[in-house]
Amino acid sequence: AQTVTQSQPEMSVQEAETVTLSCTYDTSESDYYLFWYKQPPSRQMILVIRQEAYKQQNATENRFSVNFQKAAKSFSLKISDSQLGDAAMYFCAYRSVGGATNKLIFGTGTLLAVQP
Amino acid sequence: GAGVSQSPSNKVTEKGKDVELRCDPISGHTALYWYRQRLGQGLEFLIYFQGNSAPDKSGLPSDRFSAERTGESVSTLTIQRTQQEDSAVYLCASSFVASGSREQYFGPGTRLTVT
Repeated sequence: AQTVTQSQPEMSVQEAETVTLSCTYDTSESDYYLFWYKQPPSRQMILVIRQEAYKQQNATENRFSVNFQKAAKSFSLKISDSQLGDAAMYFCAYRSVGGATNKLIFGTGTLLAVQP
Repeated sequence: GAGVSQSPSNKVTEKGKDVELRCDPISGHTALYWYRQRLGQGLEFLIYFQGNSAPDKSGLPSDRFSAERTGESVSTLTIQRTQQEDSAVYLCASSFVASGSREQYFGPGTRLTVT
């Protein structure tokens, strides 16, 4: 079974600085998707960025980028120029490709605080 | 367009009572998922619907939990004889399975408190 581990329960960053959130996962599959979701206090899960395992190039979405290390099974999220609105819980998630259900497997989350 | 909606937003119930949680997916989305998020935890998969059938119920924690879906529309998650350990946020997500991305779009969740 696949597992996702986020070893940083809480992180803090100064506004305009850069922060990196860590995620590792375990799988025997060769193809899969990895995601970072943001959950603000409103509880709404918002997709931040997605990476397809067969793509070697790291995904980037504006101020958000990932460092995908397939051999190490590592998938970290870098937030550049942090803004107050980035404060939220961040979840790393895994999904199989071609699976019967496409269910997401989540880590336990990292609570990010942004200091003004 | 409208996103995934869930109702009620919050529900407080007494131990032993039954509760129903509702999810309205995005129109046209054939796949629907229920997840549970306990305090301080990540989301746990409960059940998956494709249309109105549920090919994967593997995440339902006990036979007190059940869910149904009407066509490719509303889904209801029912918890019978609620227990305090059922207290959690229940999140629903939908996706357009025909799409290669199979992106899951989440609702705002229902916070269930069992007293």
